[in-house]
Amino acid sequence: QKEVEQNSGPLSVPEGAIASLNCTYSDRGSQSFFWYRQYSGKSPELIMSIYSNGDKEDGRFTAQLNKASQYVSLLIRDSQPSDSATYLCAVNTPLSGGYQKVTFGTGTKLQVIP
Amino acid sequence: DAGVIQSPRHEVTEMGQEVTLRCKPISGHNSLFWYRQTMMRGLELLIYFNNNVPIDDSGMPEDRFSAKMPNASFSTLKIQPSEPRDSAVYFCASSLLAGAPDTQYFGPGTRLTVL
Repeated sequence: QKEVEQNSGPLSVPEGAIASLNCTYSDRGSQSFFWYRQYSGKSPELIMSIYSNGDKEDGRFTAQLNKASQYVSLLIRDSQPSDSATYLCAVNTPLSGGYQKVTFGTGTKLQVIP
Repeated sequence: DAGVIQSPRHEVTEMGQEVTLRCKPISGHNSLFWYRQTMMRGLELLIYFNNNVPIDDSGMPEDRFSAKMPNASFSTLKIQPSEPRDSAVYFCASSLLAGAPDTQYFGPGTRLTVL
């Protein structure tokens, strides 16, 4: 089982709709969760982080975390063509010595159709 | 701040040649990460430095890969000898906090093609 799993997509939604991106992870000890956006040919950039169960909203973006189900999601309201990108879910995993590393999923490609 | 700087941006080489990728992290950041991204395997962590010390190199594919961080402002990833399966985009990223998850800032990447 992969440490972080995402549906590769593409996920196609019409402009103005809600896009829902999902991610599951395997390490129950994970405490920090991130969503990165990566435009084609560009580098990933952080758009959301979440550390507690529940919802966290930032503008049109809402991250949802359910640690019991080991599930993280990202909702994008009023989707715009400029949201078309690959969205990477990232989860921290503990290392020895108190360090942590972040493991990325393979990403979900989102296409917003005008 | 200029962000994370990587060089070269593109590298085309022949199988068997040595390849050296370079990275300058954001000033003041304590952690540096090297990633490899391919369509098949996504974004894979190769090695993680904290305060210039390698913390986790379990992602380094094999002995052909080596990484160094001689000081807080410079790191290299070397592949010797290179093979066609090493073709990928290699990203360097840095973060401020040591020993804790934090926002990672990615460089523009180096697109490596091994013929």
